[in-house]
Amino acid sequence: NAGVMQNPRHLVRRRGQEARLRCSPVKGHSHVYWYRQLPEEGLKFMVYLQKENIIDESGMPKERFSAEFPKEGPSILRIQQVVRGDSAAYFCASSPGVQTNTGELFFGEGSRLTVL
Amino acid sequence: GQSLEQPSEVTAVEGAIVQINCTYQTSGFYGLSWYQQHDGGAPTFLSYNGLDGLEETGRFSSFLSRSDSYGYLLLQELQMKDSASYFCAGVNQAGTALIFGKGTTLSVSS
Repeated sequence: NAGVMQNPRHLVRRRGQEARLRCSPVKGHSHVYWYRQLPEEGLKFMVYLQKENIIDESGMPKERFSAEFPKEGPSILRIQQVVRGDSAAYFCASSPGVQTNTGELFFGEGSRLTVL
Repeated sequence: GQSLEQPSEVTAVEGAIVQINCTYQTSGFYGLSWYQQHDGGAPTFLSYNGLDGLEETGRFSSFLSRSDSYGYLLLQELQMKDSASYFCAGVNQAGTALIFGKGTTLSVSS
C-alpha cells in the first residue's frame, strides 16, 4: 500500500550540474503535481501533469526546469545547470482525479536539493 | 492575483483549543483545504470545506464562510504531537492545482 514515493530523498549538486528528481504516484493515480518549498515558506506550485501531458506549468521557471510524466515510469522533475537558489525541498503530490472536488492531494516525503 | 493569508505562528498549551485563521483572495472558488506538515516532512491532508459551515473530524474542525472569504482550522484538546505547521490551500485560477498559504507554525507546550 505504497504512497507517493520520491527519490532521491537528498541530493547534493555543484553549480552547473543537473538534478533529476523522481516521483512515483500512488498506484492508480494519474495526476501528478510538483511543489517547491523553501525553509519557513509555504508550498509553491510548479507544474501539474497527467500521463504524457503537461496540463499547467505556470509555476515553473521558463529556463532550466522541465518535467515529464511518461506513459510508463515515474514523473521526473529535471533542473539543468543548477544554481544555489535552486536549493530547496521539492515535493511531489498525486491525486486520482482532478482535486478541485475534494481538495485532497497525497504528498511524498520530498527531495531535498542542496547546491554547493 | 490569488493569495491566502494566515498567521505565521501560534502557541498554546496541552489540552487547550486553538484556532488558525485563513483569509483568501481568489477569482474563482472551489473550496478551502487544510494540511499538516511535521518538521518539513510530507504534508498530509486534514480537511476540506467546499460549502459554508463546519466540518468536524475528531479533534479537528474546519470552518468556511465564502461570503467573508474566510476559514479557520480549530484544534481541540491539543497534544504535543500537534506541534507542526498548518497550511490552508485553495484552487488556483485555472482550476488545475492547489495554492498554499505560507503556513502557521503551532507550538504546543506542556
